Formats: sequence, structure tokens, C-alpha cells
Amino acid sequence: DAGVIQSPRHEVTEMGQEVTLRCKPISGHDYLFWYRQTMMRGLELLIYFNNNVPIDDSGMPEDRFSAKMPNASFSTLKIQPSEPRDSAVYFCASSPTGPRDEQYFGPGTRLTVT
Amino acid sequence: AQSVTQPDIHITVSEGASLELRCNYSYGATPYLFWYVQSPGQGLQLLLKYFSGDTLVQGIKGFEAEFKRSQSSFNLRKPSVHWSDAAEYFCAVKVTGGGNKLTFGTGTQLKVEL
Repeated sequence: DAGVIQSPRHEVTEMGQEVTLRCKPISGHDYLFWYRQTMMRGLELLIYFNNNVPIDDSGMPEDRFSAKMPNASFSTLKIQPSEPRDSAVYFCASSPTGPRDEQYFGPGTRLTVT
Repeated sequence: AQSVTQPDIHITVSEGASLELRCNYSYGATPYLFWYVQSPGQGLQLLLKYFSGDTLVQGIKGFEAEFKRSQSSFNLRKPSVHWSDAAEYFCAVKVTGGGNKLTFGTGTQLKVEL
């Protein structure tokens, strides 16, 4: 299996622009998670999906952030408009259903907003 | 709400020395416990996990962890550290009925001196 795939790996954009981050989970995994990692705040869970349905979006920082999962093999995290404080590494992870199952992380997207 | 504490932000050890990274959790029942490692520029990789049974669990790369219910701890150990073990280590817990979410500690950055 190729593992969790994220694209792009690096994104540099100007403040005010729209940014879309993409994730392909491992086939057969029912859960998908989006995280943000910064030096100041560590690893934060933004939102997660179960069977393509958003379950908990309480970690989404504000309305500028939105996430979708149109099918079992694809998810997006969109920031519109982007701000410099959104600069971070964004991780996608997926997991099977069982409580004993771990989450499998993608390599991350490093976002820089200038 | 459950929480995870990693009291050591940074740890430096000499190559060949033993290592112990501390993790304490706060939760009424025994949660599922995980240790992940993050190498620079990489995603998180699972080292080991505990959910029941033998309280000493073995993981990849020569790591082990011991669950101590009385101390609400799940410390990670390695008898002899290699320079390639330099990375950030995260402890995480998953509680039953929590929707497969992981709660992460703030991480411990390990530096290995040659």
C-alpha cells in the first residue's frame, strides 16, 4: 500500500489567496483526520470524518477553514482567505474502524503564507 | 476530558546510553495508548501500542514501553540509543467511545550526542 498521500508537499502563497490541501487515505480505512502542527501549539486535531461524514469539526480554527470528503478516497482542506498565521504543517491521517487501530499519517503539507 | 502529559520537552542522551521518555495520562479508565515518532520533515510513525494484557510492550526499532496503571504512566524506553533515534516522540491516548480520536501529548524532542 502506498500509505496516506498528501499534496502538495510544500505550498507558498500570499495572504488572501485560497489554499487547497489534498489527501488520499489508505484504501479501506473508515476514518480520516486533519491535523495542524506548529511550534507554538503543537499537534492539533482540526476535523475528522467517519465514512466520509464529518464527525467533529470543533478544532477548525475559524470559518476560513473548511474540509470535505466527497468519497472514500479523497479529502480536501481549504483555507480561504489565507493569513500568515495559518503557516504550519498540515497532516492527514487515516485509520480503520477498530479502537485498537492506530492512525496512519501522511508526510504532511508545509504551508507558508506570506 | 482526557489529557496526556509529556513532562520533558527536550532530552539529550549520548549514543549508546539508555533512554526513558515519560508519559502520563489522565482518564478514568484504561485508555488505548500509543507512542509515535516523528523524524524531521516526516509524518508520524507508530512505534508501539498498548490496549490490554502484558504491560510491557515491544515496538519497532528496539523500543519498548511499560504501562503502569497505578501511576497512569506509559513510559517509552530503549536500552541503547542510536544517533538515528534523534527525533520527536509523541505519546497519545484513545478512549473508548471517543470516535477513534487520538489525544496527543506535546512531544519530547530527543537529541543524541555522538
